[in-house]
Amino acid sequence: NAGVTQTPKFRVLKTGQSMTLLCAQDMNHEYMYWYRQDPGMGLRLIHYSVGEGTTAKGEVPDGYNVSRLKKQNFLLGLESAAPSQTSVYFCASSLAGRTGELFFGEGSRLTVL
Amino acid sequence: AQSVTQPDIHITVSEGASLELRCNYSYGATPYLFWYVQSPGQGLQLLLKYFSGDTLVQGIKGFEAEFKRSQSSFNLRKPSVHWSDAAEYFCAVGKVSGGYNKLIFGAGTRLAVHP
Repeated sequence: NAGVTQTPKFRVLKTGQSMTLLCAQDMNHEYMYWYRQDPGMGLRLIHYSVGEGTTAKGEVPDGYNVSRLKKQNFLLGLESAAPSQTSVYFCASSLAGRTGELFFGEGSRLTVL
Repeated sequence: AQSVTQPDIHITVSEGASLELRCNYSYGATPYLFWYVQSPGQGLQLLLKYFSGDTLVQGIKGFEAEFKRSQSSFNLRKPSVHWSDAAEYFCAVGKVSGGYNKLIFGAGTRLAVHP
């Protein structure tokens, strides 16, 4: 009964380093999303995917890349981390796009020094 | 452009008191509207949603929300707050784009509950 699992949960990077956040869901959902949450700004969509092998840009995609090689996994990559990418990152998935009911992971807190 | 405004950043209520969290949206068509709750250290959980029909919708944990088209509002209410309701609450509006329903979130309202 895992739902949406994110790894790692915490990470500290130096400016310019790269890293990948992994999101895995076991609900057979078609759609997956990556959001970032910053104080006073709610959640903003970074990238999303409507199916295996497809990805699309969201509201704030710059500095991030994603891949969806398997239906259950959605990876978020930072090629050259910047302090502005310090944030809490949430992965979510949904069964059908029209309902808007997203299932969220517990978040990954990233600090870029 | 679509947007969601939650005018109250922080709200404090006493346990047992009633609660209303405000949400106003800007949207050019009939919106899909949602309320999510985020407990400390957790991801977001859907409380309730409005697509069409009855403008008063019931959700989990005793919450309800009322859609008022004339006021572009979707306020969340609970008649009697419990200490476990302390959390951050997010209103969201759904935007249909290419058949995919993207959510635009408000900035959130943090609820504190006094014993």
